[in-house]
Amino acid sequence: SQTIHQWPATLVQPVGSPLSLECTVEGTSNPNLYWYRQAAGRGLQLLFYSVGIGQISSEVPQNLSASRPQDRQFILSSKKLLLSDSGFYLCAWSVPFMGQRNTGELFFGEGSRLTVL
Amino acid sequence: AQTVTQSQPEMSVQEAETVTLSCTYDTSESDYYLFWYKQPPSRQMILVIRQEAYKQQNATENRFSVNFQKAAKSFSLKISDSQLGDAAMYFCAYRKQRGSQGNLIFGKGTKLSVKP
Repeated sequence: SQTIHQWPATLVQPVGSPLSLECTVEGTSNPNLYWYRQAAGRGLQLLFYSVGIGQISSEVPQNLSASRPQDRQFILSSKKLLLSDSGFYLCAWSVPFMGQRNTGELFFGEGSRLTVL
Repeated sequence: AQTVTQSQPEMSVQEAETVTLSCTYDTSESDYYLFWYKQPPSRQMILVIRQEAYKQQNATENRFSVNFQKAAKSFSLKISDSQLGDAAMYFCAYRKQRGSQGNLIFGKGTKLSVKP
């Protein structure tokens, strides 16, 4: 069966410090991978998605970047954190979406809560 | 652009009663998916139910069912025999069928409280 893990679960960082959140998927190949951010009282906002190794698409301009060094590994990074980067970050995966009908859902990790002070 | 709207920021239901959460969406696509996700206090998003737009029959999963009105672009979730464990944030989400991106567009959520 497929599983997804992300870490760390909780992170408190000072303004200006770097960030690295990691996500790995097991039990599937060539998944689509996503990073979402959830701010307090708001829905989920897509930050990045990837359809393959080294292929990253950004949905919104921001202080963050993403990388996919391996097929089932997705990393969210920042060189210098801002206060506005605080939030709950969710990694997710889906079956490759290549025009073929599938069940369509995303499968989410446990989430990472980032507090920037 | 596609949008998803949940007009009820908070809802409350008595244990064992039935509650309906509302969701409307806007799209020019004819083929797409709709989902309801549950986010309990642990914060992990859990799929509750899915609906494919080409299917006219409303999806059902145990105590959870949807009322899918394609022409009205409405997708409500009905929870029957509510249980204390149903208390959570519920998010409605949309995903178009075409294209390789495949990301979900979420509403802002409805916080459901269940009273014992």
